[in-house]
Amino acid sequence: GAGVSQSPSNKVTEKGKDVELRCDPISGHTALYWYRQSLGQGLEFLIYFQGNSAPDKSGLPSDRFSAERTGGSVSTLTIQRTQQEDSAVYLCASSVRGAGATYEQYFGPGTRLTVT
Amino acid sequence: AQKVTQAQTEISVVEKEDVTLDCVYETRDTTYYLFWYKQPPSGELVFLIRRNSFDEQNEISGRYSWNFQKSTSSFNFTITASQVVDSAVYFCALRAAGSARQLTFGSGTQLTVLP
Repeated sequence: GAGVSQSPSNKVTEKGKDVELRCDPISGHTALYWYRQSLGQGLEFLIYFQGNSAPDKSGLPSDRFSAERTGGSVSTLTIQRTQQEDSAVYLCASSVRGAGATYEQYFGPGTRLTVT
Repeated sequence: AQKVTQAQTEISVVEKEDVTLDCVYETRDTTYYLFWYKQPPSGELVFLIRRNSFDEQNEISGRYSWNFQKSTSSFNFTITASQVVDSAVYFCALRAAGSARQLTFGSGTQLTVLP
């Protein structure tokens, strides 16, 4: 079946512009995560959505970052007034959430963001 | 707070050699989950294994095996008879069973298998 998809695969933007990154999770997965992978910081958690619950935004690095998830499926990560330190690969993951045990997260191919 | 340490930044082996990737974790939770992911040059993170804190049985899957030891807070990964296609960055990750659902990743180990 289809995995997690992300678009665009690459994005180059000028400093100060806003960008939107999209994630389409695996069908039936109720949990969706955003992570950021950069050279100096490794893999960092950004935000987590689970069903209709309020998202866990504890990993967002600043108020320039926001995300939404419409209809419990597709998610958009928005970065306003981009800075050069925002350059990174943004990864989306999804998982099934069930009673009891945790479930592994499946990752998309990522969006490579370059801020010039 | 949770922490995952992968002390080996880079490892290089010759094809057919065995190689072990180390992972040491810290958590105050009594129930937690450990993971290994592979990130080949294409960039996509590929799930390899999940382990629950209450199950210390070691696991073998083909050429891959995992050694989970709670006494030393380690979850090491061994590739037997390595192949060039095993070249990738390997990440160990931890997730507590509490309210925090995200994965805490180690910094990764770059494995290069030379022909």
